[in-house]
Amino acid sequence: KQEVTQIPAALSVPEGENLVLNCSFTDSAIYNLQWFRQDPGKGLTSLLLIQSSQREQTSGRLNASLDKSSGRSTLYIAASQPGDSATYLCALLQTGANNLFFGTGTRLTVIP
Amino acid sequence: GAGVSQTPSNKVTEKGKYVELRCDPISGHTALYWYRQSLGQGPEFLIYFQGTGAADDSGLPNDRFFAVRPEGSVSTLKIQRTERGDSAVYLCASSPGGGVDTQYFGPGTRLTVL
Repeated sequence: KQEVTQIPAALSVPEGENLVLNCSFTDSAIYNLQWFRQDPGKGLTSLLLIQSSQREQTSGRLNASLDKSSGRSTLYIAASQPGDSATYLCALLQTGANNLFFGTGTRLTVIP
Repeated sequence: GAGVSQTPSNKVTEKGKYVELRCDPISGHTALYWYRQSLGQGPEFLIYFQGTGAADDSGLPNDRFFAVRPEGSVSTLKIQRTERGDSAVYLCASSPGGGVDTQYFGPGTRLTVL
């Protein structure tokens, strides 16, 4: 059974710092991997989606990488801002499956 | 256009009661998903609809949970004889055709069972 782990569970950084969030998974038979942002009381906002054939995706200050062979993905956030404070979730779509497998999330706080 | 909407946003009920949670998907999306998110955890899959039929209900925890989508649009998640352990945020998502299509999530319904 696929297991998705995110480390750290919580992270506090001062504004302006670059940071890396980690996601690891046990079954590399995935179709794609997605990073979401979740704000309190809100739904999930998709940030980046990486297909299994890709190594990374970039959007603005965000860069996500995927290494299927090692079962790892990272989300890099450059020049963090207080508005980046949220919970970040990684989710996998396994080959042949319909539903997403989610990690437990990393709660990020960016201190002004 | 409008995104996925869910009602109510919050629901408080007593142990043993019956509850219904509603999801309005994006218009035209044939695939609809229900997930459950417990405190401090990531969302966990419950059930997937393709059109009117439940294509995969392997995530439903027990027979107290049931979901319908009679006209292939709005879906209702029904929980009988609620237990305190059912307290969670219930998220709904829809996608154009299912499979590898991007899933769009609603804001969720926070269910509290006292």
